[in-house]
Amino acid sequence: IQMTQSPSSLSASVGDRVTITCRASQNIGNYLHWYQQKPGKAPRLLIYAASSLQSGVPSTFSGSGSGTDFTLTITSLHPEDFATYYCQQTYTSPRTFGQGTKVEIK
Amino acid sequence: QVRLVESGGGLVKPGGSLRLSCGASGFTFSDYYMNWIRQPPGKGPECVAYISGSGTYTTYADSVKGRFTISRDNANNSVFLQMNSLRVEDTAVYYCARELKGWSRSSLDYWGQGTLVTVSS
Repeated sequence: IQMTQSPSSLSASVGDRVTITCRASQNIGNYLHWYQQKPGKAPRLLIYAASSLQSGVPSTFSGSGSGTDFTLTITSLHPEDFATYYCQQTYTSPRTFGQGTKVEIK
Repeated sequence: QVRLVESGGGLVKPGGSLRLSCGASGFTFSDYYMNWIRQPPGKGPECVAYISGSGTYTTYADSVKGRFTISRDNANNSVFLQMNSLRVEDTAVYYCARELKGWSRSSLDYWGQGTLVTVSS
């Protein structure tokens, strides 16, 4: 299953609302997760099962969607949110990640 | 608290072998599937292999099938990745990660810090 994220990168300011989309090449139900990665660090789980917030993750992050189209929204960007974001499907093997969306400071 | 620590990475020549280890603590290790995920420099993550809690069930990416073997030792809370016939394209940071089942839909909630494998002549 191919996972396509858009955009590949974006520039935004602190306080902005940001939306990242992820499209699956076939129906994956809600087997979709979002991760945040900062340089030199391991990915961090933000959202699991498309819309469930992982423990300890700020409520400024939310996820939605099912089937083939999914969205990660950051309602108000904080300085620590500048990072690369990846979606991942675990509906079937091989489990695949999107190519990533880099969120940069404008 | 949950902790995953990888070791065993390094520089190896094409065709060589390497064995990665991941030591786990802070949770009942045998209750969880474990994954190896790799990330080539400047690229996105790729799922390499995963193993069931008992070690009975394993799955591999097509790119490593027949060359890599995942295993675990539940008595010592460790998971391993034996990598043979290494290729230049296997160069990556390798992470081990814990998998959540059920409502969490196999998401990866804890990751190690990663170990770098470089395959070069």
